[in-house]
Order: sequence, then structure tokens, then C-alpha cells
Amino acid sequence: QQQVKQSPQSLIVQKGGIPIINCAYENTAFDYFPWYQQFPGKGPALLIAIRPDVSEKKEGRFTISFNKSAKQFSLHIMDSQPGDSATYFCAAASGRNQFYFGTGTSLTVIP
Amino acid sequence: SAVISQKPSRDICQRGTSLTIQCQVDSQVTMMFWYRQQPGQSLTLIATANQGSEATYESGFVIDKFPISRPNLTFSTLTVSNMSPEDSSIYLCSVAGLEGGTDTQYFGPGTRLTVL
Repeated sequence: QQQVKQSPQSLIVQKGGIPIINCAYENTAFDYFPWYQQFPGKGPALLIAIRPDVSEKKEGRFTISFNKSAKQFSLHIMDSQPGDSATYFCAAASGRNQFYFGTGTSLTVIP
Repeated sequence: SAVISQKPSRDICQRGTSLTIQCQVDSQVTMMFWYRQQPGQSLTLIATANQGSEATYESGFVIDKFPISRPNLTFSTLTVSNMSPEDSSIYLCSVAGLEGGTDTQYFGPGTRLTVL
């Protein structure tokens, strides 16, 4: 059973656009929701994360929106750039050793 | 965040052989994890490696196939034994750490394994 459902599988946007990647979970015990960015040939890098006590977190051009009642969270990339082209994974966790990852979204930003 | 290195970065191996992947961290960590990422797929946890105790394997993964060592707080190895083409994947180690006071995981660069 997939603990975290991620969509879309792939996404193509023009430079300057705002791609949005969505994730949903069922287990209300999850209390930490990170996003990872992975470039080809590299390991996933922690990008931004949120806890359920806030509804939004911004770090630079990256924003997480969190809806606790709907059990959904999303990543928004403002003013997207070709260098943002990568695969993005959401995750949900309830402790350091209980991480569940989404299936990933391949983002392409066209110049 | 911890600096994590893996060796080898990639390898091409013959069916039936074994490969040992090393993971080195620049600081002491209590928990290390090994993941498999098949092409175009998500990350699947193989096992959790704690220093001084046996690794804990996830459903579908067994010690005979994926033996793990954790001799100290900065190093771990994963062996992929008796390989078949189905073992072709990226193998990632990660470590537990803190991000803003919250437990998180940081990943190494991965080992890309191709089995012929």
C-alpha cells in the first residue's frame, strides 16, 4: 500500500512558470513532510520540509503548502528556471526511521 | 547536514557475483539506512543499520541477499549477493540527522549498479 501518493508523474513548464506538485497521505501519525530534489546521477537532496503545525513554509523560490484536514501538501516553485529541472520526491515521516516516499515527479523547465 | 560518500559510484557486474557498496559519513550518526531506487521509481527501504546490532530488514529483503555491516558510527557496507539483472538499481545510503530540530534523513550520492 502506497503510504504517500504523489502527482503528477511528470510536468513540463516554461521558464518563469509555477509548477505545483501534490502529495496526499492517510496516516495521521505522520508529523514531518520533507521534499527532496534529485538530479540525474545524484542522490536525493533535502530541499524544504514542513511540520503540520504550520500551513505554509517558504524558502527562496520554494514553498510548501500544507492542508492538515485534507491530509495533502504541495510544493510550489516560483519563477521556475531550467536549473530546477529534476525529479522531486515528497515524503511523510513519523520518526527518523519511518520515512515514506512518493513516487516522484519529473520536472522539466523549458527555457 | 552530514557529508556522505559512497563507493563505488557505479559498477557493471556479471550475474552470480557479489558487490559490496561502502558508505562513509563525515560525522558520527546513530542510524544509517540503505535504499534501493529502481529506474524511474521511488525509494524503497532495504534495511536500517545500527552500530552494534543486527540490521533490521524490511519486508521483501533478506540478510542472505543483502548482508550489511556497521562496524562504527561513521561507516556501513551493503553487499548485493548472487546478483541477477533484477538487482540493477541505484543503491543509496542515508543517515538520520536533524533539520531545524526535527529528525530527517540525508542521502549519499548513490551507487548505480548494472547487472548483465
